Amino acid sequence: DAKTTQPTSMDCAEGRAANLPCNHSTISGNEYVYWYRQIHSQGPQYIIHGLKNNETNEMASLIITEDRKSSTLILPHATLRDTAVYYCIVRVREYGNKLVFGAGTILRVKS
Amino acid sequence: KAGVTQTPRYLIKTRGQQVTLSCSPISGHRSVSWYQQTPGQGLQFLFEYFSETQRNKGNFPGRFSGRQFSNSRSEMNVSTLELGDSALYLCASSLFRDTAVEQYFGPGTRLTVT
Repeated sequence: DAKTTQPTSMDCAEGRAANLPCNHSTISGNEYVYWYRQIHSQGPQYIIHGLKNNETNEMASLIITEDRKSSTLILPHATLRDTAVYYCIVRVREYGNKLVFGAGTILRVKS
Repeated sequence: KAGVTQTPRYLIKTRGQQVTLSCSPISGHRSVSWYQQTPGQGLQFLFEYFSETQRNKGNFPGRFSGRQFSNSRSEMNVSTLELGDSALYLCASSLFRDTAVEQYFGPGTRLTVT
């Protein structure tokens, strides 16, 4: 019942911006878009979330299209430590605090 | 501020035994959720507790149970362990039950059933 679609994998050169896309064409008006990442065998790490407006924090930027049907997570200067699986999740109000994880995108940052 | 802690970090059990895993949320957080992660099924939601009450439950057999204490700490129990229960068990905490509020995960407990 995941509501998002992400590419299976992506590569990025170290020091360059990593742009990870996510499609969520069935998103409802009150549903938030969240991004988490998981480095091998560790717990998922919260990155950022947003509703309508673009958001930025110390880790990343989140760009949400005006129709809210897709979004892009931007890591401005990727490092080798950013190699991880990135999950885009739509929070459904009826689910409460249940997060539905898809397969995510494997981002490989290469030197 | 300390993050979410889980104990033990690693555990080896024999088929048929039972196991209890513990999760201490971030101070002040009242919601605790549990997830199972396996290579075949990925990350799957087990259950969520808020104010000592189970608020949501995933599609797992009754052998999986949990509880939350008045200090928000939570435990999950798996009885009659099966080989397929080998997994990374993760808990996540958040301040409230609100989709606008982020959740933070612990490092997980790696359970191996032999």
